[in-house]
Amino acid sequence: EIVMTQSPATLSVSLGDRVTLSCRASQSVDSNLAWYQQKPGQAPRLLIYGASTRPTGIPTRFSGRGSVTEFTLTISSLQSEDFAVYYCQQYNSWPPLTFGQGTKVEMK
Amino acid sequence: RVRLQESGPGLVKPSETLSLTCVVSGDSISGSPYYWDWIRQSPGKGLEWIGSIFHGGSTYSNPSLKSRVKMSLDTSTNHFSLNLTSVTAADTAVYYCARGPRGIISIWGLGTSVIVSS
Repeated sequence: EIVMTQSPATLSVSLGDRVTLSCRASQSVDSNLAWYQQKPGQAPRLLIYGASTRPTGIPTRFSGRGSVTEFTLTISSLQSEDFAVYYCQQYNSWPPLTFGQGTKVEMK
Repeated sequence: RVRLQESGPGLVKPSETLSLTCVVSGDSISGSPYYWDWIRQSPGKGLEWIGSIFHGGSTYSNPSLKSRVKMSLDTSTNHFSLNLTSVTAADTAVYYCARGPRGIISIWGLGTSVIVSS
């Protein structure tokens, strides 16, 4: 099973900040990496797949980079609606699909 | 627009079987190129993939749950189902059904809360 590790667990930020979240895989996942955003009481929402591709409707301030085992999700200028928990997930080698433990982006 | 809606009992007794259904609207399960997924989230915890089913009935399950998981598709009513046997308190969670291309979970249901308690 591929273990996904996210850092930091919590990120305290201010509106307008550039925010970078990290995700590391225990072995290569190539570019088969997705990012999700989850707000309290809501289902997760797909933000990025293929490590760097945004689905239709995802704002351009969200960008993903990386390959093999090291990945980042960047929010270029944090908006109020971006306070949430962010999860990475690999789909290179499954079953099982595996998620990171999440990074909470909170207001400083 | 594709929508998925979970339904289930809400409360299940320990050792019993949890049965959940996901009704799909805006897409046809029959012949769909997508995988139909189940994911859960225990209170205050992260996301755990339970399994996926593909048209034709091919299934993929989390090895940690595999012996207790059964998934099925019903093309006549356009829904898919999850049965989880021998539940314990550790199975208390919000259960999501979802759809996506292989391994990517692109559309999620709203989720349904399940509590395991006597």
